Amino acid sequence: NAGVTQTPKFQVLKTGQSMTLQCAQDMNHEYMSWYRQDPGMGLRLIHYSVGAGITDQGEVPNGYNVSRSTTEDFPLRLLSAAPSQTSVYFCASSYRTGGDTQYFGPGTRLTVL
Amino acid sequence: GNSVTQMEGPVTLSEEAFLTINCTYTATGYPSLFWYVQYPGEGLQLLLKATKADDKGSNKGFEATYRKETTSFHLEKGSVQVSDSAVYFCALNLGETSGSRLTFGEGTQLTVNP
Repeated sequence: NAGVTQTPKFQVLKTGQSMTLQCAQDMNHEYMSWYRQDPGMGLRLIHYSVGAGITDQGEVPNGYNVSRSTTEDFPLRLLSAAPSQTSVYFCASSYRTGGDTQYFGPGTRLTVL
Repeated sequence: GNSVTQMEGPVTLSEEAFLTINCTYTATGYPSLFWYVQYPGEGLQLLLKATKADDKGSNKGFEATYRKETTSFHLEKGSVQVSDSAVYFCALNLGETSGSRLTFGEGTQLTVNP
């Protein structure tokens, strides 16, 4: 099992550009989510999905879109990048919702100039 | 709202010292509690968890007990090693009522010197 994979590892964007951060898992997990990590703020939930075709907003969803067409993939789209979106992004998945262990990917470090 | 408060870092210890990282929480309900560890340049890994009051989670010599009366989940290890140097995050999860989101503390940077 590869677990949770994310691409790219690093990305530099200019303000206003768009891009998609990829996330995939091979554990047949129903629940997937995206977090951003900023210094001194821990991790904050952006969007999550409880299964294919179902997504919902987290704590900081503005400026981001998601979709879940398959169980395996959960891409995060930045429609028009802003410097405030400079962060490290982590994708996570778990078999079920609730108190089940969530497994994290290695992260994507994004810089918006 | 729900929140997690961790002791401020960074924490610097000598090898074989005793470690305590304090974690307290506020939650509207009965959360599951977690400690995650992040090694440099990597994602978060689950260290241990507890799903109900008085449960003790343990792994790799680390322990934490879910204390409902004090709303705490302090992380302890009797003898730290250089390889334990990492950032430690305390987190709670209230389950489906909150979208199964993990609410994290700010993280505590631990450095262990030989």
